[in-house]
Amino acid sequence: GDSVTQMEGPVTLSEEAFLTINCTYTATGYPSLFWYVQYPGEGLQLLLKATKADDKGSNKGFEATYRKETTSFHLEKGSVQVSDSAVYFCALSPFSGGYNKLIFGAGTRLAVHP
Amino acid sequence: KAGVTQTPRYLIKTRGQQVTLSCSPISGHRSVSWYQQTPGQGLQFLFEYFSETQRNKGNFPGRFSGRQFSNSRSEMNVSTLELGDSALYLCASSLLQQGRDEQYFGPGTRLTVT
Repeated sequence: GDSVTQMEGPVTLSEEAFLTINCTYTATGYPSLFWYVQYPGEGLQLLLKATKADDKGSNKGFEATYRKETTSFHLEKGSVQVSDSAVYFCALSPFSGGYNKLIFGAGTRLAVHP
Repeated sequence: KAGVTQTPRYLIKTRGQQVTLSCSPISGHRSVSWYQQTPGQGLQFLFEYFSETQRNKGNFPGRFSGRQFSNSRSEMNVSTLELGDSALYLCASSLLQQGRDEQYFGPGTRLTVT
């Protein structure tokens, strides 16, 4: 079945460092891909999305490109801030079925220090 | 526009009891999905409703059920609670009918079973 694999955390960075969180997926067809972020005590917030191969999603300085050939959707940010500290989830929505369903990776905790 | 709201935010129940959680989607959204989040299993899809019909269901026992009303509000019910049902239950809503759409999450209901 469809699945998502994320790099294990925690990831600890200094402020203004470059961030990469790896995400790969297994799915049939062309799923939609998403990154969500969860701050302590809150629900999930949509960070960015991509719906077809070579699409680049971007938001708040974060970017991810839908790579069909490597089945990847890595999250990047050029300069992280302390306020970016949170748990990041990569997710896919299956291509077929006609329903709204998300399959999530395990999540990667990011800690940014001043 | 108001976001997804969930009530109650916190619940403490005893093993064997039943519980009902409520979710109000973003105005105009007709798709509502439910997810369970635990430290051990991560984020898992429970079910999705669209126009009062359950379109898809995850791999959970029959003790987990849900419904959707004509105003798109949704409830989920868990009967005969077990300790392992302790989790954060997240509701999400989507605008599009055809699936693969981005989902907007509520803050969640934290259920503790003792």
